[in-house]
Amino acid sequence: GESVGLHLPTLSVQEGDNSIINCAYSNSASDYFIWYKQESGKGPQFIIDIRSNMDKRQGQRVTVLLNKTVKHLSLQIAATQPGDSAVYFCAENKEDDKIIFGKGTRLHILP
Amino acid sequence: EAEVAQSPRYKITEKSQAVAFWCDPISGHATLYWYRQILGQGPELLVQFQDESVVDDSQLPKDRFSAERLKGVDSTLKIQPAELGDSAMYLCASSKPGQGEDEKLFFGSGTQLSVL
Repeated sequence: GESVGLHLPTLSVQEGDNSIINCAYSNSASDYFIWYKQESGKGPQFIIDIRSNMDKRQGQRVTVLLNKTVKHLSLQIAATQPGDSAVYFCAENKEDDKIIFGKGTRLHILP
Repeated sequence: EAEVAQSPRYKITEKSQAVAFWCDPISGHATLYWYRQILGQGPELLVQFQDESVVDDSQLPKDRFSAERLKGVDSTLKIQPAELGDSAMYLCASSKPGQGEDEKLFFGSGTQLSVL
């Protein structure tokens, strides 16, 4: 559900399973989208990006899917590992290279 | 691999005092951003520079916050006077201008500010 203040949505996944993190974006004119991973006490780290002329892009163990019709973005992580534990943010480029972040999702890996 | 450098890593100050944060972007990155991140939330853009010019400071509380990037390289963010609600992580990021993969932001490790 929605996160307010300190209450981040949390996704708990068994180690080895696939993780799917979802994000709804706001501006239909946004043409560039990015997923970031943020570990405790660190700055956000780039994971993968996608332009609006694509609907899927794959990286190493990660895939981003873009559905422009419903303004939805998802990040899929294959074979989730303990090191994947972090908060994940989607971000969109609204205009003039202004990158706006969405609400994060905390990924918790179960042993 | 080149990184965005920020200092200090942690800052504790009393309310009404002045604080300053420093950022050195990746060499060659013309665009520099300052974000504020409150615990449990996503980073919020405060100010964006293109070289030495401010591109967007619409979310910067200008009565107490100021930012400069005089030579178009490193940047300083200042708060005077600090208030309790300013406690947050202050993140600096940089990117190349233009389209494609160059748009992605590279972040520093941030300055964690605690105002007592």
